[in-house]
Amino acid sequence: AQSVAQPEDQVNVAEGNPLTVKCTYSVSGNPYLFWYVQYPNRGLQFLLKYITGDNLVKGSYGFEAEFNKSQTSFHLKKPSALVSDSALYFCAVRDMGAYGGSQGNLIFGKGTKLSVKP
Amino acid sequence: EAGVTQSPTHLIKTRGQQATLRCSPISGHTSVYWYQQALGLGLQFLLWYDEGEERNRGNFPPRFSGRQFPNYSSELNVNALELEDSALYLCASSFSGGTADTQYFGPGTRLTVL
Repeated sequence: AQSVAQPEDQVNVAEGNPLTVKCTYSVSGNPYLFWYVQYPNRGLQFLLKYITGDNLVKGSYGFEAEFNKSQTSFHLKKPSALVSDSALYFCAVRDMGAYGGSQGNLIFGKGTKLSVKP
Repeated sequence: EAGVTQSPTHLIKTRGQQATLRCSPISGHTSVYWYQQALGLGLQFLLWYDEGEERNRGNFPPRFSGRQFPNYSSELNVNALELEDSALYLCASSFSGGTADTQYFGPGTRLTVL
């Protein structure tokens, strides 16, 4: 079965410091990976995705993610954190089902709360 | 370009009632997805509609149902409401049901069951 794990419930970072939010995945076949951010009482905003190609994916608001096939990881990074980055971050993988066909939906991790202090 | 819209923003119902939630996808998108975000349970997939057809459903009872209209908008119906149905219901749309397609989410409908 496909799954996504976000091992940290919360990440605390000082403003201006680099940040990393971790994600590992388990899929059969090639993974289709996504990062979303959710601000309080809001829907999810798309940040970036990995489909194929370059292992370093650049996304919105200065975020990037590094795909590592050997470690089955897709960590979200930003070189310099802002207080406004404080939010809930979700990693997701496309559900490819038991036979490798897209089921349409995304499977989400439980989320990591990022807190950036001034 | 307008994003995914959902209505109502908030919905308060009592146990046993029915709830109807609505979603309008981004213009040009044919696929609509519904997810439930309940406290402590994370984001759970409910339903996927594409070109008017139900393509897949998550592990939810049949009292969760929906449909997609010819203009690709969608509604989610929850019958015989239970207290544990209280959650944020998120709708997402994508250009098609393609594997690489990005799902764009609406702001959600907060359903409270009393």
